[in-house]
Amino acid sequence: SQQGEEDPQALSIQEGENATMNCSYKTSINNLQWYRQNSGRGLVHLILIRSNEREKHSGRLRVTLDTSKKSSSLLITASRAADTASYFCATVNYGGSQGNLIFGKGTKLSVKP
Amino acid sequence: EPEVTQTPSHQVTQMGQEVILRCVPISNHLYFYWYRQILGQKVEFLVSFYNNEISEKSEIFDDQFSVERPDGSNFTLKIRSTKLEDSAMYFCASRGLGEQYFGPGTRLTVT
Repeated sequence: SQQGEEDPQALSIQEGENATMNCSYKTSINNLQWYRQNSGRGLVHLILIRSNEREKHSGRLRVTLDTSKKSSSLLITASRAADTASYFCATVNYGGSQGNLIFGKGTKLSVKP
Repeated sequence: EPEVTQTPSHQVTQMGQEVILRCVPISNHLYFYWYRQILGQKVEFLVSFYNNEISEKSEIFDDQFSVERPDGSNFTLKIRSTKLEDSAMYFCASRGLGEQYFGPGTRLTVT
């Protein structure tokens, strides 16, 4: 698998439910970031978690990072129809000189009203 | 809130033509990037630019591609002779000391 692989590829839930998306990566990282992309639009930065952090919260978002398993999860609580989008994890490689992001293929989240 | 802007939003060109995609990064940022996303696929890194020169580039960024920061505000990506497979969304990003901020993208369609 490639750096920054998310699963599931697609997730469909009802409004109000929680959505959990996972990301695995292969190399050592400096930090891991989650982005959202509405269909055909640009990327919106959601949250950054550094390699020495284990959990981070931002509003309804909770991100965890397990560097021993090289994995991260994004939890969206109390989902809304407006959360419908694709979610990507992106890693910055340890020692990467300019912080180039390596993206996964994304999870397509559909929240039904 | 400052944002990265890109023009045009959509560009249609014929195979073999040159295109220039333009970006205006956030004004006090120092690092600039181009990424592309072929329809239905993941976002791929093309090139990073710092201190008026390319700092890293991917294998996608071959001799057909070039970047320039012609003045203090614009950051451009040129594709010299477009191919059908260059059709994609092209995203510009910039960062200061923290995370990257992405522009809305330019959809390039090569016919």
